[in-house]
Amino acid sequence: GAGVSQTPSNKVTEKGKYVELRCDPISGHTALYWYRQSLGQGPEFLIYFQGTGAADDSGLPNDRFFAVRPEGSVSTLKIQRTERGDSAVYLCASSPDLGGGEETQYFGPGTRLLVL
Amino acid sequence: AQSVTQLDSQVPVFEEAPVELRCNYSSSVSVYLFWYVQYPNQGLQLLLKYLSGSTLVKGINGFEAEFNKSQTSFHLRKPSVHISDTAEYFCAGGRTGGFKTIFGAGTRLFVKA
Repeated sequence: GAGVSQTPSNKVTEKGKYVELRCDPISGHTALYWYRQSLGQGPEFLIYFQGTGAADDSGLPNDRFFAVRPEGSVSTLKIQRTERGDSAVYLCASSPDLGGGEETQYFGPGTRLLVL
Repeated sequence: AQSVTQLDSQVPVFEEAPVELRCNYSSSVSVYLFWYVQYPNQGLQLLLKYLSGSTLVKGINGFEAEFNKSQTSFHLRKPSVHISDTAEYFCAGGRTGGFKTIFGAGTRLFVKA
């Protein structure tokens, strides 16, 4: 079956602009995660959704970052007033139930964001 | 605070040799631990995970890891590597019952012919 998909695969923007990154989880997966992976680093947790609600958003670096999942499936990560330091690969993962972080996460290919 | 440390950023090894990728975690509570692999131009995929019970965990592609609570380690091993094992390996974990998974910085395994 289809895995986690993320669009766009690459995004180039200018400093100060607004961007939206989309994640389509595996059908039926209720848990969804966003991570940010900077060059040479491991994924850094941003936010975790159970269904439509954000159960843990403690990883969002500041109020320029926001994520939604209005119908409990597709999620959008929104970044306002982008800065060069936001350049990274943004990863999305989903898991089939609400067991928390212990559940296997299925990762998408990521969106590579470059802020000029 | 929890942390996951991968002690080697790169590990070069010859084909058919054994390999160990080291991972240490810090936590004062019960934890779950994973190893994920990222092949070139692919997304992360799970190799194996430890939740509780037996401390020796077997995963896909002949990999295994041992949870050592006294040494707070979760090292990944394979007795004989193949060229196709060349990839980036990530150790990750979190507090049992929690949602936040912490990843290490990754270890690049490079298998040479």
